[in-house]
Amino acid sequence: NAGVTQTPKFQVLKTGQSMTLQCAQDMNHNSMYWYRQDPGMGLRLIYYSASEGTTDKGEVPNGYNVSRLNKREFSLRLESAAPSQTSVYFCASSMRQRANYGYTFGSGTRLTVV
Amino acid sequence: KQEVTQIPAALSVPEGENLVLNCSFTDSAIYNLQWFRQDPGKGLTSLLLIQSSQREQTSGRLNASLDKSSGRSTLYIAASQPGDSATYLCAVPSAGNMLTFGGGTRLMVKP
Repeated sequence: NAGVTQTPKFQVLKTGQSMTLQCAQDMNHNSMYWYRQDPGMGLRLIYYSASEGTTDKGEVPNGYNVSRLNKREFSLRLESAAPSQTSVYFCASSMRQRANYGYTFGSGTRLTVV
Repeated sequence: KQEVTQIPAALSVPEGENLVLNCSFTDSAIYNLQWFRQDPGKGLTSLLLIQSSQREQTSGRLNASLDKSSGRSTLYIAASQPGDSATYLCAVPSAGNMLTFGGGTRLMVKP
């Protein structure tokens, strides 16, 4: 089925470990986003990529890096995981940023840092 | 800064009732407004997208309206079913390329 695919679905890390969350979309969308969802905080934007070759910080970028590998793929890297990064991470895509197009979300990655 | 508020935060209704979920936003200069559904432990599923030039959108038993001038949107669910139980989120694109979400309405439909 067409959409946004995230891997892995679940991950447990020890403090200080690194990992990369993968995201791919097959809808030929230009823009891609990484959000985190925390109880009581709602969904917050970490990083986004308006188009292939560009990335920008969102609301909560500290502790993360991203790579827009090609038009389809947008990865999120935690270089040194901290317990505060325990969250559910969602990748999303849209045809263009903020224009008259909706957003499509992946099913999420549930990350626990111990 | 755009702020999105959803009322009520939680709602419990018996099966078969018609219900209305509310969403308000502070900056009326929006491109569109999107309603999502999120089941526990799952991702967000898009329900309806209303463009700024539209006043409503319908999909099956769902109808969403948009009043930009008053900064409000409503999601109407007709003849609710237990399978409608989920959290419903509204969101608008805002400055800084963020999709700003409301806090959600947690709906439970009892058989």
